[in-house]
Amino acid sequence: AQSVTQLGSHVSVSEGALVLLRCNYSSSVPPYLFWYVQYPNQGLQLLLKYTSAATLVKGINGFEAEFKKSETSFHLTKPSAHMSDAAEYFCAVSPYQAAGNKLTFGGGTRVLVKP
Amino acid sequence: GAGVSQSPSNKVTEKGKDVELRCDPISGHTALYWYRQSLGQGLEFLIYFQGNSAPDKSGLPSDRFSAERTGGSVSTLTIQRTQQEDSAVYLCASSYGAGPNTEAFFGQGTRLTVV
Repeated sequence: AQSVTQLGSHVSVSEGALVLLRCNYSSSVPPYLFWYVQYPNQGLQLLLKYTSAATLVKGINGFEAEFKKSETSFHLTKPSAHMSDAAEYFCAVSPYQAAGNKLTFGGGTRVLVKP
Repeated sequence: GAGVSQSPSNKVTEKGKDVELRCDPISGHTALYWYRQSLGQGLEFLIYFQGNSAPDKSGLPSDRFSAERTGGSVSTLTIQRTQQEDSAVYLCASSYGAGPNTEAFFGQGTRLTVV
């Protein structure tokens, strides 16, 4: 069975500082990997996804993530935090040969941006 | 509509009552998913529909939970004899393809409170 671990349920960053959200997965075969963002009282929105084409993936809103097979990681970064980045972020995996995109989510990391 | 629509947005029900939650996927999307988001369990997959195929019900937590999808479009998630542990946000998602790397578009969810 697959699992996803997000280190840190809460992260506080200053506006303009680096945002780093950690995600590690457990799977015998590298899965497809996703980062979703959830703003208050809203559904999930896809930030970016890894589908084996390139290890460094660029997404929306200036976010990017790097897939590292040796570390089974897919950490999310943004060079400079903006107040609008305050939200909850979820890392998710989908099995490589699954029927359908059945996502297994990490526990989420809530980001607070300080002015 | 342009996105996944869920209704009602909020539902309060008494323990033991049945509830129905509705999801209207994006037009043309063949795949539809239900997830549950709760404080204790995080985001969990419940059920997956793809076209006219038999649904993948592997995530349903008990036989009190059921779902159907009529005409390959609208879906209804039914919870019978609700319990307090059923209190959660129920999220619906749809995607155009059936592959494990397709983007799932999420609705805003139905917040269910069982009192």
